[in-house]
Amino acid sequence: EIVMTQSPLSLPVTPGEPASISCRASQSLLHRSGYNFLDWYLQKPGQSPQLLFSLGSNRASGVPDRFSGSGSGTDFTLRISRVEAEDVGVYYCMQTLQTPLTFGGGTKVEIK
Amino acid sequence: QRQLRESGSGLLKPSQTLSLTCAVSGGSITNDGFSWGWIRQPPGKGLEWVGHVSHRGTTYYNPSLRGRLIISLDGSTNQFSLSLRSVTAADTAIYYCARLTPELFGEDYFFYGMDLWGQGTTVTVSS
Repeated sequence: EIVMTQSPLSLPVTPGEPASISCRASQSLLHRSGYNFLDWYLQKPGQSPQLLFSLGSNRASGVPDRFSGSGSGTDFTLRISRVEAEDVGVYYCMQTLQTPLTFGGGTKVEIK
Repeated sequence: QRQLRESGSGLLKPSQTLSLTCAVSGGSITNDGFSWGWIRQPPGKGLEWVGHVSHRGTTYYNPSLRGRLIISLDGSTNQFSLSLRSVTAADTAIYYCARLTPELFGEDYFFYGMDLWGQGTTVTVSS
């Protein structure tokens, strides 16, 4: 089973400032096709999770371009260029390279 | 517009069987090529993939639940279901259904990008 580790656990942010979340996999998520099998999700308070990125950096429909996903192999980063109040919630990475699909433990983003 | 909605047993006693259904509106679950999955979230904790089923009915289960879990499709009602037997308190969680994208990369099939989610249904196991 691939273990996903996120950091930090908690991230206080100031509106308008940038923020980044790290996700590390216990083995490479890079397939010989050239794709990294890594998704990012945001679970806003009281809501179901929503997809932000698939395949490492493919932005989902409706996701603002202040969000970006990057990385390859075992190390990935989600960046928010300028945090807005609506971005609060818990962010999860998830590997989709092999079953069981596994999530990171989550990073809680809150406004300072 | 596609929507997913979970329904099913909310309060169970240990050893009983959990049965949940996810109704899909706005398209055919057996004809449009997507896969359909279940994810759960224990109270105050993170997300756990339970399993999923392809539009052809091929199933993929979390090994931690294998032997207790069945996920199935019903094209006639456009629903997919989860059945988890012999539940314990550890199965207490919010259960979400979601849509996954299946895609062939070279010779390998992958399932990713859960882009549609239900609102979640709370399941409590307590004596």
